[in-house]
Amino acid sequence: SAVISQKPSRDICQRGTSLTIQCQVDSQVTMMFWYRQQPGQSLTLIATANQGSEATYESGFVIDKFPISRPNLTFSTLTVSNMSPEDSSIYLCSVGLGGGYGYTFGSGTRLTVV
Amino acid sequence: GENVEQHPSTLSVQEGDSAVIKCTYSDSASNYFPWYKQELGKRPQLIIDIRSNVGEKKDQRIAVTLNKTAKHFSLHITETQPEDSAVYFCAATLNTNAGKSTFGDGTTLTVKP
Repeated sequence: SAVISQKPSRDICQRGTSLTIQCQVDSQVTMMFWYRQQPGQSLTLIATANQGSEATYESGFVIDKFPISRPNLTFSTLTVSNMSPEDSSIYLCSVGLGGGYGYTFGSGTRLTVV
Repeated sequence: GENVEQHPSTLSVQEGDSAVIKCTYSDSASNYFPWYKQELGKRPQLIIDIRSNVGEKKDQRIAVTLNKTAKHFSLHITETQPEDSAVYFCAATLNTNAGKSTFGDGTTLTVKP
């Protein structure tokens, strides 16, 4: 299965600023998924990123707030823009495991907005 | 869209006992059901999955059952060990939906030695 390197692992940011999270996969994958996991809660899909096209956002998430880049089949970034304390969460990227639709996840980015 | 409900939210068992976690889904077109284990401070990891054309799947001490008619699926862990303590998430996936999964709210399993 694919191995994902995600960084930064954590950050503390001032409100109003932006943070870009990077995910590097060790093999080419068609789709990458970005999830948010608030403390003690489940995983909520933010968007699906395909290479060569705009990301597809889920209800409640917009491109201006969470712009995503997918320049090639092994890399993606998620930016959390104009941050507020409500954006404090763990952000995870994921890709499909070969042969099925299960995921392997990056190690996550723990974001705290102060 | 798909809605997945998971019960119970917390489960405490004695080491060696069995644990069962149940999930229901709403979209009858969902056809792939993975289960993830998330240990404290770590990423979720896939532990077992089942497709809609299969009623049961087993892997050592863990098994998953699926009832398509009732739209529910369950995770069974036998002979629980303290290292099974974690949060477990079920998910439902529609493979025509770009492989997107909808997750349940999670079950915190505590195995007491």
